[in-house]
Amino acid sequence: DAMVIQNPRYQVTQFGKPVTLSCSQTLNHNVMYWYQQKSSQAPKLLFHYYDKDFNNEADTPDNFQSRRPNTSFCFLDIRSPGLGDAAMYLCATSSLFYTDTQYFGPGTRLTVL
Amino acid sequence: GNSVTQMEGPVTLSEEAFLTINCTYTATGYPSLFWYVQYPGEGLQLLLKATKADDKGSNKGFEATYRKETTSFHLEKGSVQVSDSAVYFCAFGNEKLTFGTGTRLTIIP
Repeated sequence: DAMVIQNPRYQVTQFGKPVTLSCSQTLNHNVMYWYQQKSSQAPKLLFHYYDKDFNNEADTPDNFQSRRPNTSFCFLDIRSPGLGDAAMYLCATSSLFYTDTQYFGPGTRLTVL
Repeated sequence: GNSVTQMEGPVTLSEEAFLTINCTYTATGYPSLFWYVQYPGEGLQLLLKATKADDKGSNKGFEATYRKETTSFHLEKGSVQVSDSAVYFCAFGNEKLTFGTGTRLTIIP
């Protein structure tokens, strides 16, 4: 089945130790998104790629970076995780922009010790 | 600015009860409207959507109608099941996908 896959499902890192989260898709969608979701809150968009074009949300901290080496893969890099970065990170894809359905992965839950 | 106002939870209902979760939006233009559902420990799944005024989205017994005159997209289900227990997010998409705060629904047998 076509889908959005996130690895790992659970990630534990230490304060200040860089971490990379992975997302892959078999839907061949143009757009890939990264969201941060904290407990009992709505997902918050961090950034998105339209093909190779990167679009950062204005309030996304510089600590968060992303790479999209090809259509199928997208990575979220957190350069120096702080305790406040502990959250669920959701990857999503869509064929077109925001008027189109977004397909979400299962998420990676990040714990910062 | 663009925003979504969603009925606050948590909501607890008995099995087979009627469900309504209210959602209204403020947006420019003609956004697409969505309901997403999040089961415990999982990502979001599209439940239903509507792309223009008076469209009705439906799936798994859930329905919502795009009401442009009242800028609403209320979610309804006639008879809920225990398996419907989840968090429900209303959202609209135009410049970006804007989510409501989510409504946690618990169905008790």
